[in-house]
Amino acid sequence: AQKVTQAQTEISVVEKEDVTLDCVYETRDTTYYLFWYKQPPSGELVFLIRRNSFDEQNEISGRYSWNFQKSTSSFNFTITASQVVDSAVYFCALTPFNTGRRALTFGSGTRLQVQP
Amino acid sequence: SQTIHQWPATLVQPVGSPLSLECTVEGTSNPNLYWYRQAAGRGLQLLFYSVGIGQISSEVPQNLSASRPQDRQFILSSKKLLLSDSGFYLCAWTGGDTEAFFGQGTRLTVV
Repeated sequence: AQKVTQAQTEISVVEKEDVTLDCVYETRDTTYYLFWYKQPPSGELVFLIRRNSFDEQNEISGRYSWNFQKSTSSFNFTITASQVVDSAVYFCALTPFNTGRRALTFGSGTRLQVQP
Repeated sequence: SQTIHQWPATLVQPVGSPLSLECTVEGTSNPNLYWYRQAAGRGLQLLFYSVGIGQISSEVPQNLSASRPQDRQFILSSKKLLLSDSGFYLCAWTGGDTEAFFGQGTRLTVV
C-alpha cells in the first residue's frame, strides 16, 4: 500500500518569506515517481514537478526548489521569496513506476496563504 | 498540444437524480484516463481508471460508475445521487511516460 503524508494542513507567511512544504511517503515499490501539484482557488491541478525514485538530485526552477531524500522518504518543496500568487493548496503525490496504470496517491494537501 | 476538457464546471443536483459528467482529451491517442474526487478540504481519491475503450477499473465501491465509449472520452455517471456524492470531480489523463494532466474539474453539490 502507498501513503503520502503532508503534515502541514495550513501555512501562513508574509510575502518575501521563504516557506517549505513537507511531504513524507510510504511505498513498497522499488521504483516510483513523486510529484507536486498546485491547486489555485479556481480548482484545477497544475503540475509542478516529477521526480523518479532513482534520481535524487535536487532541482531548482526559479523560486521553486525540491529536496528529494530517499533515505528519509521525503520530497520537500521550498518556495523562496514567496508571492501572493503562490497562495494555493499544494499536493504531493506518488505513483509506481509503470507505463500502465499511473494512478496517483495524493497527500491531503497543504494550504499556503501568502499575505501581502 | 494535448488538452483535456471537462464539463460542466458546476452542478447542483437533487438527491436521487442521475448524473453524467464528461471528459474528453485532444491531441493524443490511447491515453490512460482517470476520475478523481476531492471531498471538501481533503486530498484527491481515485475513483476509476481506464487503459482503453470499454476497460474500466473501479478503485472504490460506491454509487458511481464510469464508461469509456471512445478512445478519448471518459464519462462518470450515477443513476441516483446521494448527498455523500457531493465534491469536486477531476478527470485526468496520462500517456506513456507522462505525468498526469488534469481537467478543470466539476464542482457537484447534491441537495
